[in-house]
Amino acid sequence: DAGVIQSPRHEVTEMGQEVTLRCKPISGHDYLFWYRQTMMRGLELLIYFNNNVPIDDSGMPEDRFSAKMPNASFSTLKIQPSEPRDSAVYFCASSRTGAQYFGPGTRLTVT
Amino acid sequence: AQSVTQPDIHITVSEGASLELRCNYSYGATPYLFWYVQSPGQGLQLLLKYFSGDTLVQGIKGFEAEFKRSQSSFNLRKPSVHWSDAAEYFCAVGVIQGAQKLVFGQGTRLTINP
Repeated sequence: DAGVIQSPRHEVTEMGQEVTLRCKPISGHDYLFWYRQTMMRGLELLIYFNNNVPIDDSGMPEDRFSAKMPNASFSTLKIQPSEPRDSAVYFCASSRTGAQYFGPGTRLTVT
Repeated sequence: AQSVTQPDIHITVSEGASLELRCNYSYGATPYLFWYVQSPGQGLQLLLKYFSGDTLVQGIKGFEAEFKRSQSSFNLRKPSVHWSDAAEYFCAVGVIQGAQKLVFGQGTRLTINP
């Protein structure tokens, strides 16, 4: 079975541009999580969904960040407008029974 | 508030030596506990998990961890490390029913000397 799929793997964009990160969870998993990882702050939970419904978005840093899950097999994390401090690795993870399985991440660089 | 502490930021061991990575948690209820490993440029891979039952948990790649409630610890061990074990290791505690929300420690970076 395929694991969590994320795209793109790398994204370089200029400040002010819109960035969209994509995630396909493992089939049958009903929880989906978005994390951000930086050297300074470590691994931070941004938002998570259960059955496509956002449950906790308290980790979303600002209104510039938004996430959607239109169906059980797809989620997006959007940053608009992007800023240099958004540079990080963004991970998507999914779970069904408590253990979360992570995707390979998207390395975002905002110049 | 729930928290996870990994006291060692960086550990260096020789190949073939034994390894123990420390993890302490703070959580009022029965914890769900996890260890993940992250190789450079990769995502986090689940090594093992503890939900209930036997307090000694076996995982992948020859790792094991022991849950000690009295010490609020969940230390990760391996009897003999390989150069490929060099990575970042994260301990996590599940803080909602079903462990659907995880709190991670800051990680321990493991370096292997040849």
